[in-house]
Amino acid sequence: QSVLTQPTSVSGISGQRVTISCSGSSSNIGSNSVNWYQQLPGTAPKLLIRYNNQRPSAVPDRFSGSRSGTSASLAISGLQSDDEADYYCAAWDDSLNGVLFGGGTKLTVL
Amino acid sequence: ELPLVESGGGLIQPGGSLRLSCAASGFMFSNYGMNWVRQAPGKGLEWIAYISSRTASYADSVKGRFTISKDSDKNLLYLQMSRLRVEDTAVYYCAKEWAEGNYYSGSGSFDFWGPGTLVAVSS
Repeated sequence: QSVLTQPTSVSGISGQRVTISCSGSSSNIGSNSVNWYQQLPGTAPKLLIRYNNQRPSAVPDRFSGSRSGTSASLAISGLQSDDEADYYCAAWDDSLNGVLFGGGTKLTVL
Repeated sequence: ELPLVESGGGLIQPGGSLRLSCAASGFMFSNYGMNWVRQAPGKGLEWIAYISSRTASYADSVKGRFTISKDSDKNLLYLQMSRLRVEDTAVYYCAKEWAEGNYYSGSGSFDFWGPGTLVAVSS
C-alpha cells in the first residue's frame, strides 16, 4: 500500500532546530521528488520546499529539505512561534498514478 | 487579486451532485497542469484529481464519481461531483502545478492554492 508516513507531532524550543521525517517507498519518494507544505490554521497550504530541496524565493532559508532513498526530511532552524503549523510532505506515486500526501505533522514551539 | 478562487460549495444531500469552479488569473492557465485537493474537517490533505492537456487522473476514492475538466478560454477549472457521500465533506482547494507544461503526470509541487470552498454532504 502506498503511503507517506510522518510523525503526528514534533516540538522544539524557540531558536532551536527540528526535523520532520517522511517515509515512503520506491513508487513515490524513491522515484519522484518530494515537496513540503506549511498550513497555518484556517488557511490554505503554502509550498515550502519543492523538488526535494528547492526553496521558493519567499521562503526563509531557515527551512530546508532533503531526500535519501525512500525517505525525506524537512529541517527548520531558528524556530519561531510563527512556525507553529501543520506540515505535510507530498510526492507523485507511480503505482497510484496520483499524488500522495503524508498524514501531516503538527509542530509546537515551546 | 488572488490567482485562484474556488466557488460552488455548499450543503448537499447524500447521492446528490455539485459542480465546483476555480477561476484562475495572473498566469497562462493553458500552460499548466491543475489539481483538486480536499481536506475533511480536522483531517489531513487528500489529493483527488489532476488535469493537463494530455491527461486526467483521479484518486481511487473519487474515481468514477468525480470529473475534472478545464476551460482554457475562460480560465476556469471544474470539478463535477456526483453520487456524493457523507465522507466527501471537506474543504476543496484548487492548486496549480509549479512547473510549466502539460505532462502525463503531476508532481505534487503546487505553488498556488485557492482559499478553498466547503462542501458539506449531509441529510
